[in-house]
Amino acid sequence: GQQVMQIPQYQHVQEGEDFTTYCNSSTTLSNIQWYKQRPGGHPVFLIQLVKSGEVKKQKRLTFQFGEAKKNSSLHITATQTTDVGTYFCAGIRNRDDKIIFGKGTRLHILP
Amino acid sequence: DAGVTQSPTHLIKTRGQQVTLRCSPKSGHDTVSWYQQALGQGPQFIFQYYEEEERQRGNFPDRFSGHQFPNYSSELNVNALLLGDSALYLCASSDRVDTQYFGPGTRLTVL
Repeated sequence: GQQVMQIPQYQHVQEGEDFTTYCNSSTTLSNIQWYKQRPGGHPVFLIQLVKSGEVKKQKRLTFQFGEAKKNSSLHITATQTTDVGTYFCAGIRNRDDKIIFGKGTRLHILP
Repeated sequence: DAGVTQSPTHLIKTRGQQVTLRCSPKSGHDTVSWYQQALGQGPQFIFQYYEEEERQRGNFPDRFSGHQFPNYSSELNVNALLLGDSALYLCASSDRVDTQYFGPGTRLTVL
């Protein structure tokens, strides 16, 4: 069954508002990756987090990896129309190195 | 520098038929992974090839098989197609386990 849960499934925000998506794993992860998929496109790698409690920033995007290495979040500050798409987390399981994708959070920006 | 390429882009098959999808990895990458992405879902890991061997496998039946060639390109074969096999099939290449670069995918429709 699904072992990486991602919430919310959908999010509508006004342009300029902030957005956050959360990822939770039932098992400890060795690392976690985040991808963005535009409508009709393919997943594009954004970042990888490896260390417990790690925080990384890419311009308006902030990524966090939980202390227990079981959860992660992606926060976008002041969303823009170019942020539209589905954001996926993908956890690499500690016990067997298998990659498990979440179902994604679809972000829609209201002008 | 070409990225990951996949062929064909679209394919229509009928139940019971067999299909072969192809992937050429990004230059310099030796590892190829295959994913199935159903509509509105995250990518599901099928298997990964490295040095012409299947290194890891997800929870897919034996109808799904693959191959990697000496030039690192790869094929995904699916036998005895079912309606539920309709999906976007994504190939991703990497030079380590970590950062993956996805191809544009092959949209398979099974009628």
